[in-house]
Amino acid sequence: QKEVEQDPGPLSVPEGAIVSLNCTYSNSAFQYFMWYRQYSRKGPELLMYTYSSGNKEDGRFTAQVDKSSKYISLFIRDSQPSDSATYLCAMTRNSGNTPLVFGKGTRLSVIA
Amino acid sequence: GAVVSQHPSWVICKSGTSVKIECRSLDFQATTMFWYRQFPKQSLMLMATSNEGSKATYEQGVEKDKFLINHASLTLSTLTVTSAHPEDSSFYICSARATDRSSYNSPLHFGNGTRLTVT
Repeated sequence: QKEVEQDPGPLSVPEGAIVSLNCTYSNSAFQYFMWYRQYSRKGPELLMYTYSSGNKEDGRFTAQVDKSSKYISLFIRDSQPSDSATYLCAMTRNSGNTPLVFGKGTRLSVIA
Repeated sequence: GAVVSQHPSWVICKSGTSVKIECRSLDFQATTMFWYRQFPKQSLMLMATSNEGSKATYEQGVEKDKFLINHASLTLSTLTVTSAHPEDSSFYICSARATDRSSYNSPLHFGNGTRLTVT
């Protein structure tokens, strides 16, 4: 079993839809959870950063962490064509200099 | 927010030559930078952890003599692909985390990557 599992998609939704992206993980030591957005031929861009369990909201984006289920989610409300990208979940045991463990990424297309 | 600059953004080189990629933290200091490699439609694979003033730590299966890493200052790390071959063609991305009092809670920021094509 891989440390982080993420459905690669592709996921195609109409403009305005609510998008749900998810990752599961196996290492209960992970405490810091991130979502990155990566456009084609670009480096990942940090979207959300959360510590331990709970919810965090930033504009149209909401990140949820359920450590008891080892499950994290990213919700995108009122999705836009500009949201079309690959979304990568990432996590680590601590935020010192421990490398991140990434999911494979989910390719999202928002159709106008 | 924190900015990581990577240069060049793309490079084409002939087989057998060496290529140097630079990674700079523009508005913060970073004692540690990470180098990743990404193949098409794949996730990021950690290659090595670059430590300022000391030797880099390489992941299993990554040849340290082929991928030379130098972290000479708190704002600059370089990755040199030596004697490049077509199978080294990939997207290389660096990342860094701010090193200050708040670094314990600082997330990782990425450069825009370097697309290397070896012909």
